[in-house]
Amino acid sequence: GQNIDQPTEMTATEGAIVQINCTYQTSGFNGLFWYQQHAGEAPTFLSYNVLDGLEEKGRFSSFLSRSKGYSYLLLKELQMKDSASYLCAVRDPFEGGGNKLTFGTGTQLKVEL
Amino acid sequence: DSGVTQTPKHLITATGQRVTLRCSPRSGDLSVYWYQQSLDQGLQFLIQYYNGEERAKGNILERFSAQQFPDLHSELNLSSLELGDSALYFCASSVEGQGSYEQYFGPGTRLTVT
Repeated sequence: GQNIDQPTEMTATEGAIVQINCTYQTSGFNGLFWYQQHAGEAPTFLSYNVLDGLEEKGRFSSFLSRSKGYSYLLLKELQMKDSASYLCAVRDPFEGGGNKLTFGTGTQLKVEL
Repeated sequence: DSGVTQTPKHLITATGQRVTLRCSPRSGDLSVYWYQQSLDQGLQFLIQYYNGEERAKGNILERFSAQQFPDLHSELNLSSLELGDSALYFCASSVEGQGSYEQYFGPGTRLTVT
């Protein structure tokens, strides 16, 4: 089966650093994505990891350990606009060559003054 | 703006009815995905099409069907609608290859079944 776990909610202070963890157990693995979603809006792509290690992109970094089934998203210099839901998703190969994304339920991040 | 368009933005209909949701992928993207997002279920994968062919299927109900046309736009058909089908329906597209697998989401169609 597919299982992706993330904390439901987190709160952090403007200007601080926050780490959002994701653990997964999936039947297949072709990479892990992080998406940001503001309420009522479309998810927007943040990062993609397929190999172990850290990928850095501006204020956002994402880490993957395939052996541990673990990833985290690191947000630095938090801004109020970073208040959103952060979705971890595993790309899972499908018979016939397709892929599907299995999403976690998301971590609702609240940034406070 | 992701470059993926979806119509309509909002749809209100009655139980038992049938609706069609439309999606146009980003220019150059061959792959289209459909997702359902309801409050209690999170984002659920429904189906993937690649260049007109079905490639992957998730927990899509038999009352739902989709297709991708030669111009690569896609339609999701929902029939015999039930109250529980009320949700946000997202379409996403990707290049799906050449090391680029990220999916870009459209703004979604909010379906309300009354």
